[in-house]
Amino acid sequence: SAVISQKPSRDICQRGTSLTIQCQVDSQVTMMFWYRQQPGQSLTLIATANQGSEATYESGFVIDKFPISRPNLTFSTLTVSNMSPEDSSIYLCSAKEYSYEQYFGPGTRLTVT
Amino acid sequence: QKEVEQNSGPLSVPEGAIASLNCTYSDRVSQSFFWYRQYSGKSPELIMSIYSNGDKEDGRFTAQLNKASQYVSLLIRDSQPSDSATYLCAVEMDSNYQLIWGAGTKLIIKP
Repeated sequence: SAVISQKPSRDICQRGTSLTIQCQVDSQVTMMFWYRQQPGQSLTLIATANQGSEATYESGFVIDKFPISRPNLTFSTLTVSNMSPEDSSIYLCSAKEYSYEQYFGPGTRLTVT
Repeated sequence: QKEVEQNSGPLSVPEGAIASLNCTYSDRVSQSFFWYRQYSGKSPELIMSIYSNGDKEDGRFTAQLNKASQYVSLLIRDSQPSDSATYLCAVEMDSNYQLIWGAGTKLIIKP
């Protein structure tokens, strides 16, 4: 199974600012995903990070608000831009290879004041 | 709209008993099914995957899959207080490997 780390683990940010979350996998993986999880709720997929091409965003999420980079097969970043209190959430990255299971990083707890 | 349904609970089970968690899904072509455990404040942890009809056992955990009924279950034998967590059922879409998530069932094991 892949070991995934995320930085920062938590942050408190002011509204209108941006935060970039980093996700590092200990092995090369084809697919990386970014999720958001509100307290007491299930996971919501933000986008699939594609190496060498633009991320694929789910309905309700746009590139201007959540730009994603995937420069290689072990690393991805998610930026939360122009933050508002509604962006307060836990952000999770995950990784998988075809026909294998999906594993998660420890998450980033974001609070926007 | 592809869906995965779980009873949100909480499901309360006495210590030492069998906990039974259930999940139904709508996408008939899905081939891969997963159970994740999530402790409060932590990220989801994969505990079982199942791909074929029938039972798959791993220690105290048994996953059951019935594709005809579009039903997946997780049994936890000899439940321990440390099993208290939210259990998320996830179904993989064949087309793009994305996971469709259930709402999660909160399990409470009472000593």
